[in-house]
Amino acid sequence: DGGITQSPKYLFRKEGQNVTLSCEQNLNHDAMYWYRQDPGQGLRLIYYSQIVNDFQKGDIAEGYSVSREKKESFPLTVTSAQKNPTAFYLCASSGSGQSTDTQYFGPGTRLTVL
Amino acid sequence: AQSVTQLGSHVSVSEGALVLLRCNYSSSVPPYLFWYVQYPNQGLQLLLKYTTGATLVKGINGFEAEFKKSETSFHLTKPSAHMSDAAEYFCAVSDKGRRALTFGSGTRLQVQP
Repeated sequence: DGGITQSPKYLFRKEGQNVTLSCEQNLNHDAMYWYRQDPGQGLRLIYYSQIVNDFQKGDIAEGYSVSREKKESFPLTVTSAQKNPTAFYLCASSGSGQSTDTQYFGPGTRLTVL
Repeated sequence: AQSVTQLGSHVSVSEGALVLLRCNYSSSVPPYLFWYVQYPNQGLQLLLKYTTGATLVKGINGFEAEFKKSETSFHLTKPSAHMSDAAEYFCAVSDKGRRALTFGSGTRLQVQP
């Protein structure tokens, strides 16, 4: 089955640690996205990538980093510089990154800072 | 800059009643509009989208939405609510200038038996 996988489903981090969230897609999509979801705030864009080896900052990129070395993979690193990282993180992909494209979402990773 | 406003963070209806979830947007260029549904601890699933053409858009699970440019609205409706419709619903907008989605804050739909 084609789709998007995110791992792990739950992640616990101590303050001061960097953690990396995995996102893999087998839909052959060019564009991939990372969103952060907090209660009552909807989803906010962290980073997006429309092609391999290229990515752009979204609305809340501070304290996060990404890479796009392969078409199917778009890992997100939450660094110690992110002041309030506890949230639900969602990865998405779309065919060509056009504004009219449907974005398909993974099941999410819930990150908790202890 | 784009923005999306969803009126009502919580909506409660009885099973079989009309569902109406409100969405207003702002965009300086013609918008593309989306409705997504999220079940607890899951990702988002597309219900329907408007890009161009017919302003009344039909989606999955009996939902539909009408794009009204004069009112800058894209409200989601379903004639008869089912218990399985209980979830959180998000309206989102994009346009030619911004390829990523801007989301509203969401509306949680509760369906009473």
